[in-house]
Amino acid sequence: DQQVKQNSPSLSVQEGRISILNCDYTNSMFDYFLWYKKYPAEGPTFLISISSIKDKNEDGRFTVFLNKSAKHLSLHIVPSQPGDSAVYFCAASVNGDDKIIFGKGTRLHILP
Amino acid sequence: DTGVSQNPRHKITKRGQNVTFRCDPISEHNRLYWYRQTLGQGPEFLTYFQNEAQLEKSRLLSDRFSAERPKGSFSTLEIQRTEQGDSAMYLCASSLSTKGYGYTFGSGTRLTVV
Repeated sequence: DQQVKQNSPSLSVQEGRISILNCDYTNSMFDYFLWYKKYPAEGPTFLISISSIKDKNEDGRFTVFLNKSAKHLSLHIVPSQPGDSAVYFCAASVNGDDKIIFGKGTRLHILP
Repeated sequence: DTGVSQNPRHKITKRGQNVTFRCDPISEHNRLYWYRQTLGQGPEFLTYFQNEAQLEKSRLLSDRFSAERPKGSFSTLEIQRTEQGDSAMYLCASSLSTKGYGYTFGSGTRLTVV
């Protein structure tokens, strides 16, 4: 049972344009959402998060949007840079639960 | 502090053999997590410790798997009688916080069972 779903295995975006990565979830108990970035041969690294009481959180070039009614969140990267090429994981947790649940990931390719 | 360290980086073993992986967390982190990642999947939760206490185990963690964290410092994950389906990347993470942004992952141990 995939509680966090990333339906696009890969995405290619021109350098300088906007990258939009999407994520859907099924567990209505999730109240904290995160995006992790992973380069080959490295562990995932935390990128940005959002609490369920918010609908937007911004950090530099990265913005996460949360639509609770649709159980959907998205990560926007503007402008996209070559170093953004990586696998991006959407993740979620339930308040008070120490583990986070990851999606399958989306591989982002930034094209020159 | 160099972050979360995992050893070995790669392990090739024959089916039926036992293997043990080690994770050294960030020294002040009291929480330690093990995840497993297979090709095309995201990291899947296996188990976690708060200090030396193992507080939760996933049903993915069969009886052949055991994890320890003696004295609340480093942790080991042992797989007995390995099967080809155990081939995966085993990731360790540590944190001070219950929030996922506090996780620091190691680079993982890649296990190949032949």
